[in-house]
Amino acid sequence: AQSVTQPDIHITVSEGASLELRCNYSYGATPYLFWYVQSPGQGLQLLLKYFSGDTLVQGIKGFEAEFKRSQSSFNLRKPSVHWSDAAEYFCAVGGRRDDKIIFGKGTRLHILP
Amino acid sequence: SQTIHQWPATLVQPVGSPLSLECTVEGTSNPNLYWYRQAAGRGLQLLFYSVGIGQISSEVPQNLSASRPQDRQFILSSKKLLLSDSGFYLCAWSRLAGGPGGELFFGEGSRLTVL
Repeated sequence: AQSVTQPDIHITVSEGASLELRCNYSYGATPYLFWYVQSPGQGLQLLLKYFSGDTLVQGIKGFEAEFKRSQSSFNLRKPSVHWSDAAEYFCAVGGRRDDKIIFGKGTRLHILP
Repeated sequence: SQTIHQWPATLVQPVGSPLSLECTVEGTSNPNLYWYRQAAGRGLQLLFYSVGIGQISSEVPQNLSASRPQDRQFILSSKKLLLSDSGFYLCAWSRLAGGPGGELFFGEGSRLTVL
């Protein structure tokens, strides 16, 4: 069964600092990987996605993520965070064989001024 | 363009009462439809998904049920709510899985409080 682990429940960084949110997945075939962001009380917005090809994918709002098959990881990065990036971030996995998309438990990002 | 509507936005219900949350999608046909529940510290839990009218897959045994009476309509129901049903319910749609269209598009959510 597919699964996603986000090991960090909360992360706090200073505004302007770099960010990396970790995501590890389990899937029996080639995965489709996603990062979503959720502002308080809102639905989720897609930041970026990986289906195939270049393992470094660019997303909206200056985010990027790198797919590493050998580590079963899909970590999200941003070189310099802004106060508006404070939100909850979810990693998700789906696949060609499945109609299901499974989410991790999320990482809440706090930004220090 | 495609849009997804979910209602009601908030709901306060007593234990033992029935529930009906509705979700509709516009601007696309034959979407995959999903219900997720978000509880504090538990991430998004997939409850049901549907790949077509009348086709419902259940992921978690519980006192909730889902129905898809029309192509773009997805309903989450319960006959008798439990306290543990409280949470934030999100409806989502995607194009057919198995390709780059597998990303989800979410509604704004329905916050259910069971007292």
